[in-house]
Amino acid sequence: GIQVEQSPPDLILQEGANSTLRCNFSDSVNNLQWFHQNPWGQLINLFYIPSGTKQNGRLSATTVATERYSLLYISSSQTTDSGVYFCAAKGAAGNKLTFGGGTRVLVKP
Amino acid sequence: EAGVAQSPRYKIIEKRQSVAFWCNPISGHATLYWYQQILGQGPKLLIQFQNNGVVDDSQLPKDRFSAERLKGVDSTLKIQPAKLEDSAVYLCASSFRSGNTIYFGEGSWLTVV
Repeated sequence: GIQVEQSPPDLILQEGANSTLRCNFSDSVNNLQWFHQNPWGQLINLFYIPSGTKQNGRLSATTVATERYSLLYISSSQTTDSGVYFCAAKGAAGNKLTFGGGTRVLVKP
Repeated sequence: EAGVAQSPRYKIIEKRQSVAFWCNPISGHATLYWYQQILGQGPKLLIQFQNNGVVDDSQLPKDRFSAERLKGVDSTLKIQPAKLEDSAVYLCASSFRSGNTIYFGEGSWLTVV
């Protein structure tokens, strides 16, 4: 099945800083999603982005399907951005959405 | 619009006991997922339903785990007998159909002692 790798595994930011999280996948995808898991464990969908670029407030994401990666940008980070960010991908030939190992983000005030 | 509902939120059982988790998806969502998330890891798909049919259960330990979605709406995941390594958060999710945006419930936290 498809392999999904995220980097970096951990990220510490000062409030107000910008950052980029990366997701690499091993196969062509027809489904790619970014999630934020808050400190209480709730997974919130941020973007459905199998290709192209989307923006939602301070967050934006870009997927370059031909090069098999996706990027999540956090601008002007806030302490509420802390948590774990996951990307999940489904290969064109597969049935299931496979999650990466996540990037743990801590934003310090 | 109500989100994905799960219960119980927390459960502590002894090894070899059984446990069941319940999930009610978002109204109108045909696809329902059960994921297992072990501390420090990403969620792993256990089983995916499309209406009341199984789409993928390749990672479900069928000797001890079972799941059903009899009427194509809510679902139950059962573990019998539980092992220590089953300690995890069991996440239910739903989507309008396979390939769409997935919405997660708050999870059911299981500790096996």
